[in-house]
Amino acid sequence: EPEVTQTPSHQVTQMGQEVILRCVPISNHLYFYWYRQILGQKVEFLVSFYNNEISEKSEIFDDQFSVERPDGSNFTLKIRSTKLEDSAMYFCASIGALYEQYFGPGTRLTVT
Amino acid sequence: AQSVTQPDIHITVSEGASLELRCNYSYGATPYLFWYVQSPGQGLQLLLKYFSGDTLVQGIKGFEAEFKRSQSSFNLRKPSVHWSDAAEYFCAVGPGYSSASKIIFGSGTRLSIRP
Repeated sequence: EPEVTQTPSHQVTQMGQEVILRCVPISNHLYFYWYRQILGQKVEFLVSFYNNEISEKSEIFDDQFSVERPDGSNFTLKIRSTKLEDSAMYFCASIGALYEQYFGPGTRLTVT
Repeated sequence: AQSVTQPDIHITVSEGASLELRCNYSYGATPYLFWYVQSPGQGLQLLLKYFSGDTLVQGIKGFEAEFKRSQSSFNLRKPSVHWSDAAEYFCAVGPGYSSASKIIFGSGTRLSIRP
């Protein structure tokens, strides 16, 4: 079964540092998403990406965040200057044309 | 505004007993509806989805869900739970008109299994 992969599985960083979370979506999928889940809370939408551009973003996705698909396979989420409240599990999702959905295993980001 | 409500924060059932997890949604148009399961420290696994057609949807691991438009509900059921079903369950809704739009998740129901 095809799967979405994410690296790293756990990232520890100091406040103010930049982090890049990486995702490899399913190869023939068209729509990509980032969600986050603060410990013990619900899964929240961050941003959707289609045709090499952002199609929708939430109010959480401020100027500190950016996404790109630099090489046609990787899909990255960058946080320029991390804050303590960015500590969360970050999930990448890949959705095909028939709306079949796959979530990656997540990256746990810990900001100290 | 779109929203998903899972009224039960935590449910405990005995192994072998039946299970029903409640989900209510608020959405202006015909929604896509999903149930996901998350084991501790793990990712989200899709149990089942409803797009259209038969309102009773079968999923993996013996789960099923029924879409009731009149009640704006999409409750998840399993006739006999196993200890391995202990996890967090999330109901989610997405717009039926566009697969490019975000999914809204409920706050989750934590399921514990009593031996």
